[in-house]
Formats: sequence, C-alpha cells, structure tokens
Amino acid sequence: GDSVTQMEGPVTLSEEAFLTINCTYTATGYPSLFWYVQYPGEGLQLLLKATKADDKGSNKGFEATYRKETTSFHLEKGSVQVSDSAVYFCALRKTYNQGGKLIFGQGTELSVKP
Amino acid sequence: NAGVTQTPKFRILKIGQSMTLQCTQDMNHNYMYWYRQDPGMGLKLIYYSVGAGITDKGEVPNGYNVSRSTTEDFPLRLELAAPSQTSVYFCASSSPVAGSSNNSPLHFGNGTRLTVT
Repeated sequence: GDSVTQMEGPVTLSEEAFLTINCTYTATGYPSLFWYVQYPGEGLQLLLKATKADDKGSNKGFEATYRKETTSFHLEKGSVQVSDSAVYFCALRKTYNQGGKLIFGQGTELSVKP
Repeated sequence: NAGVTQTPKFRILKIGQSMTLQCTQDMNHNYMYWYRQDPGMGLKLIYYSVGAGITDKGEVPNGYNVSRSTTEDFPLRLELAAPSQTSVYFCASSSPVAGSSNNSPLHFGNGTRLTVT
C-alpha cells in the first residue's frame, strides 16, 4: 500500500544551520505531497504542499520539491531559528483513497539550539 | 475564526469506562477525520466522513465509533476504554476542490490527550 518514510530524529542543529529532512514515498497514481509542522502542545499546521511532479512548495523559508523520479519530497531551510523547533511530518494524499485521507510519515523532531 | 475545535483537551479514564471526544468545525467542510498519534508512529486514521450521514472506517477503527449528523460535528466514541487507547487524538477537516480533492490541506484541531489506566 501507499506509505511515507522520513528520516529518523531527533535532529539537533545550531541556530542559522542548514536543515534537510528527508522524505520518500511509495504510492500509485499521482498523489499530492505535504509537509505539516507540530509545535509543542498544538495540532498540526500545514507548512507547504506540492501537487504535481517538479512543483516546489515554499513557506516561511522552508522549501520542498516534488521529485517523481526519486519519489522524494525533502524539506530544506537555509538558516534555522530556535522558533523552528517542532515535529515535522511528511504526508501524501490521493483523492480516491479513503475520503482523501492523509498518509503520514512517522515525524521528525527538530531541536534548534541558540 | 475558530477552525476545528476539540474538547476536552485532556482526559483520564479507567479501563472499561466510556467517553465521547467532541469535534466541531465552522468552515463548512465536507470531509472530516479522526486520527490518533502515538510516539514515533505518525498519525493513523481511525474513521472518516465525506459528508453528513456518511462515515467509514480508517486503518485502526476497532474500539471506536463515530457519527455525523451535521456538517459541523464529528464526535468519536470510546465504549470500553482499554490501555491501548492511550494516545493523542486529532480531528481534522477539509473541503474538496472542484475537480480534485487531493490538493486541499487538512485543518487540524489541537488534540485531546487521553490516558486509560
């Protein structure tokens, strides 16, 4: 079945470091891909999305490109801040699959130190 | 601009007790979902609904029930609580975009942390 795999955490970085969180997926058809962020004690918030191959999603300095050839959607940020400390989830969605449910990776915890 | 509202935020149940987790959304979304989040496991779909009066099972429905009598509300019922149901529960909603619903993001509530002892 369809699935999403993320790099394991926790990831610990110093402020202003470069961030990459790897995400690969397995899916038939043409899913849309998403990154969600969860701050402590809160629900998940959409960070960015891409709906077709070669699309680049971006928001708040984060970027991810939908690579169909490598089935990947890696999250990157050039310079992280302490406020970026959170858990990041990669997810895919297909219209015809259980009401368009999101299929999530296991999440990657990011801790940014000053 | 409330979005998706879940109550309660926290709850402790004894084994065998029952409870209802409430979820309401004010965005007139057709689709609603219940997920549970366990450490290191991501989120798993419990039940979903594509509109009032229509519900269906997700990946992990055992031990739960849902109803959808209105567009706004999607309560999750635990009938006989078990320790395996200790988790954080998230309700979410989305609206299909004309022609394709997979582009629309899901909007999440802040979750209910449930402990069963």
